[in-house]
Amino acid sequence: EVVLTQSPDFQSVTPKEKVTITCRASQSIGSTLHWYQQKPNQSPRLLIKYASQSFSGVPSRFSGSGSGTDFTLTINSLEVEDAATYYCHQSSNLPRTFGQGTKVEIK
Amino acid sequence: QVQLVQSGAEVKNPGASVKVSCKASGYTFTNYEINWVRQATGQGLEWMGWMSPSTGNTGYAQKFEGRVTMTRDTSISVAYMELSRLTSEDTAVYYCTRGLMATDWGQGTLVTVS
Repeated sequence: EVVLTQSPDFQSVTPKEKVTITCRASQSIGSTLHWYQQKPNQSPRLLIKYASQSFSGVPSRFSGSGSGTDFTLTINSLEVEDAATYYCHQSSNLPRTFGQGTKVEIK
Repeated sequence: QVQLVQSGAEVKNPGASVKVSCKASGYTFTNYEINWVRQATGQGLEWMGWMSPSTGNTGYAQKFEGRVTMTRDTSISVAYMELSRLTSEDTAVYYCTRGLMATDWGQGTLVTVS
C-alpha cells in the first residue's frame, strides 16, 4: 500500500501569504497524485489532477508540482475563502490512498 | 452538469447492514468508474473501493474485504455500496465519486451505527 504523508498537519496563515503543502509517497507513483479541498460540512473538491494540472474552474492561485515521491500544493496569495482541509490522493496503485490532510486556518 | 445524488442518512444497529445508493446524471454512467470514500467525524478521507459500471468489476480495500459489496444498475445509472456487520467504527459520512481522479463527489450519506 502506498502511504501518503502530508506536512504540515496544520497551518495558520494570514491573507495574501503563500501556502505550501507537501505530500510524500512511500514509493514512486509517477504523476498520479491529485489534490482536493474540503471545507467544513462540504464534499471534497478536486483542485489539481496528475500532480500539476489545474482542474476546470479552480482559481489560478492554486498550483501543483512534483513527481515520483514528492509533491507540492501551492496557494499563492491566500484568500479568506481558502480556509479548508487539503488532501492528496494517489490513483497509481490499488488500494488507492489519501494523505491525512492539512488544515489551513486564516489568522 | 454532472451530478451524483446519494440516498439519505441511515441509523443502524450494530451487526446490521446498510446499502447506500448514488444516482448519476449528466454523463454516460458506464464511461467512468465509481469509487466510494468514507470520512468519520473530524477524521480524514478513507478509500473503500472502486467499481466499473460498464463491467461490474470491483476492487476493495483489504480492510473492507468480505464486508463490502459494490454493485450497479446501469438501466437507471445508480451505483450501490453495501456494508455489512456494522460496528460503531463504521459511523461516518460515505461518499461516491466519479472517475479515477474523483472529479465529482456525491453530497455524502451519514451512516450512524448505534
